[in-house]
Amino acid sequence: GENVEQHPSTLSVQEGDSAVIKCTYSDSASNYFPWYKQELGKRPQLIIDIRSNVGEKKDQRIAVTLNKTAKHFSLHITETQPEDSAVYFCAASGSYQLTFGKGTKLSVIP
Amino acid sequence: GAVVSQHPSRVICKSGTSVKIECRSLDFQATTMFWYRQFPKQSLMLMATSNEGSKATYEQGVEKDKFLINHASLTLSTLTVTSAHPEDSSFYICSAGTGGFSTDTQYFGPGTRLTVL
Repeated sequence: GENVEQHPSTLSVQEGDSAVIKCTYSDSASNYFPWYKQELGKRPQLIIDIRSNVGEKKDQRIAVTLNKTAKHFSLHITETQPEDSAVYFCAASGSYQLTFGKGTKLSVIP
Repeated sequence: GAVVSQHPSRVICKSGTSVKIECRSLDFQATTMFWYRQFPKQSLMLMATSNEGSKATYEQGVEKDKFLINHASLTLSTLTVTSAHPEDSSFYICSAGTGGFSTDTQYFGPGTRLTVL
């Protein structure tokens, strides 16, 4: 089955700096890669996703890049703000299910 | 956007009792819903895939007789934890896709915090 590795597990950045979270996946058949943000005790919220026919996607301060050859994808958050502090999960999906990474706890220091 | 509700948000029960959790897609029809379990500071682990009108597909290691799933309509799936024990205490979250495949965008419910005494 699919295996998703996510790094780093924790990340602290100064407000205004950029944050990058990286994920690798094992199943070359996976073709959908969403990123979720989860605040403590709340539901995961989809923040951006990318499909395998696209290499990069951007939405305001958030961008995701995908390298299918290397089987890795990354989340980039620019101009970080304290409200970006949360746990971020990457996931990969083929035809059956979403497999999640272990999560990255992002702390943005004012 | 797509909205998924979940009820109850929190439940405390005695060991040996059964607990039912409801997951509803409020503004779209969901052929497929997914049930996850999340332990503190850990990732989401898929328990089962719930398909409307057919039996659920359980992940390896998940006891189907303990975690009963019923997907009776295109907007409602239920998870019943039977004969709950303290080790079943966890955060249970459902999700629903707007289409019929996992590669459709999944929207999550707010989760149910189950505590078994």
